[in-house]
Amino acid sequence: KAGVTQTPRYLIKTRGQQVTLSCSPISGHRSVSWYQQTPGQGLQFLFEYFSETQRNKGNFPGRFSGRQFSNSRSEMNVSTLELGDSALYLCASGRLAGSNEQFFGPGTRLTVL
Amino acid sequence: QQQVKQSPQSLIVQKGGISIINCAYENTAFDYFPWYQQFPGKGPALLIAIRPDVSEKKEGRFTISFNKSAKQFSLHIMDSQPGDSATYFCAASGQGAQKLVFGQGTRLTINP
Repeated sequence: KAGVTQTPRYLIKTRGQQVTLSCSPISGHRSVSWYQQTPGQGLQFLFEYFSETQRNKGNFPGRFSGRQFSNSRSEMNVSTLELGDSALYLCASGRLAGSNEQFFGPGTRLTVL
Repeated sequence: QQQVKQSPQSLIVQKGGISIINCAYENTAFDYFPWYQQFPGKGPALLIAIRPDVSEKKEGRFTISFNKSAKQFSLHIMDSQPGDSATYFCAASGQGAQKLVFGQGTRLTINP
């Protein structure tokens, strides 16, 4: 069974631009969560989706948004990029809504210049 | 109340020794406590997890000890190997909640 896939793996953007990251969960998994990982703040929860609905949202500004499609694939978007948005963005998949057990993808490394 | 505090920040253990990483939480609504292992350039990998109805869970060389009254849990790696060198994260989540609250991580180095 294939794991969680994330694309692209690396991305370089400049301040003010926007970016879209993609995540495909494990086959059969319907829940997707996103996390931001930085050396200073560690791993922080962004949002959680199930059946195309956002179930939970972390404490991030409105520039961070996401969505989930009917095939469970998910995208997250960051608009008006800031230098502090440079991070590893991780997607995790779970079998059901509120699945405690989550499996992470390799992440997308975003660098904002 | 959402915090999970992890210690130590870094740990060096000799090959064959026991590695111990500790975590403490405040929110009594947490009922799922996983440990993740992360290698450089990779995403965190689920290692082992425990729920509060048991005090210990063992999988191979990895053991979680859980103390509900103290709101603490720890990861023990027996017979530590150089391949175990990685960053380890504890985490916690509540019932029916997918959101994981992570500790700050422990960089473990196993010297050969």
